[in-house]
Amino acid sequence: GENVEQHPSTLSVQEGDSAVIKCTYSDSASNYFPWYKQELGKRPQLIIDIRSNVGEKKDQRIAVTLNKTAKHFSLHITETQPEDSAVYFCAARATGGGNKLTFGTGTQLKVEL
Amino acid sequence: ETGVTQTPRHLVMGMTNKKSLKCEQHLGHNAMYWYKQSAKKPLELMFVYNFKEQTENNSVPSRFSPECPNSSHLFLHLHTLQPEDSALYLCASSQGGESYNEQFFGPGTRLTVL
Repeated sequence: GENVEQHPSTLSVQEGDSAVIKCTYSDSASNYFPWYKQELGKRPQLIIDIRSNVGEKKDQRIAVTLNKTAKHFSLHITETQPEDSAVYFCAARATGGGNKLTFGTGTQLKVEL
Repeated sequence: ETGVTQTPRHLVMGMTNKKSLKCEQHLGHNAMYWYKQSAKKPLELMFVYNFKEQTENNSVPSRFSPECPNSSHLFLHLHTLQPEDSALYLCASSQGGESYNEQFFGPGTRLTVL
């Protein structure tokens, strides 16, 4: 089955700096890679996703890149703000896997003033 | 409000109790999911229902029993749980089938097994 590894487990940045979170996956058949943000005490919410036919996708201050050959994908947050502080989860879904998502272990991002 | 609700929000139960978690979605979706979220672990998929049919059972112990009476409701029946089953149980829903559909999560039920 699919295995998703996520690093780092914790990340602390100064407000205005960039943050990068990296994930690797094992199943070369994976074709969909969403990122979820979970604020303290709240439910996970989708912030951006990418499909395997695209190498990069941007949405304002967040971007995701995908390297299918190396089987890794990354989340980039620029100009970080205190409200970006949360746990971020990457996930992967394999072709033929129905709606099954395999999640990474999460990254606790703290944006310091 | 994402349209996915869960009750109760908190539950404390003994190992011999029987209880049920309820999830309801108002988004017109036809796929629903149960996840277990424990500290320092990835979200663990437990069960998937597509169009009321169970399509995934991720090697979950039989003390957890799901039920999906219709596309809008999902239950998780709990029986003789263990302390290590204490966790946040999240329900999610999405459009069904093989597609790149966003999963919308409920607020979760914080379960404590004594």
